Amino acid sequence: QQQVKQSPQSLIVQKGGISIINCAYENTAFDYFPWYQQFPGKGPALLIAIRPDVSEKKEGRFTISFNKSAKQFSLHIMDSQPGDSATYFCAACYSSNTGKLIFGQGTTLQVKP
Amino acid sequence: DAGVTQSPTHLIKTRGQHVTLRCSPISGHKSVSWYQQVLGQGPQFIFQYYEKEERGRGNFPDRFSARQFPNYSSELNVNALLLGDSALYLCASSSAGTGRYGYTFGSGTRLTVV
Repeated sequence: QQQVKQSPQSLIVQKGGISIINCAYENTAFDYFPWYQQFPGKGPALLIAIRPDVSEKKEGRFTISFNKSAKQFSLHIMDSQPGDSATYFCAACYSSNTGKLIFGQGTTLQVKP
Repeated sequence: DAGVTQSPTHLIKTRGQHVTLRCSPISGHKSVSWYQQVLGQGPQFIFQYYEKEERGRGNFPDRFSARQFPNYSSELNVNALLLGDSALYLCASSSAGTGRYGYTFGSGTRLTVV
């Protein structure tokens, strides 16, 4: 019940295209769902996060879509740029408890010029 | 403002040795969490400390231990190192003892066990 499953493992998108990464969770107690971006040699950086009381959150080119009934959420990167090339991790957290983050396996995104 | 600071950035140890990794949280943050990230995988939770007390422990052997100091900095100790302990060790800080306000990660310590 603690797993977060992420797909695809890798993704290649043309510059200007839309990148979509999907995650599914099992534990309905999770109430905080962040996405992290990680560049080689760096720690994960918080990109955007959502709580289950909303179905969508947009920040610039990044949008999270959340489907509570299906226990799924996804990250959409609009107008993808070569600088977006990185590894993306979804995560889930029961924020009222210890706040332990459960991470997905990661998606390596390559945006081709 | 300084972010989460971890030291050292890289470390090479021999099997059976002991290692201490250090973390300084963002000023004002009282919670520190430790994660292990093996190459090609997502980070795995090791410990969380808040106000110098352990608030959570992941599925790691007793060779792993940690503590938090009065200034909220933290140490992660690993005894009897195994080859499988080679990983990027990440520290994350938060202003609260829960995940309600999100976490900020440091750049990590790359540990190689030979």
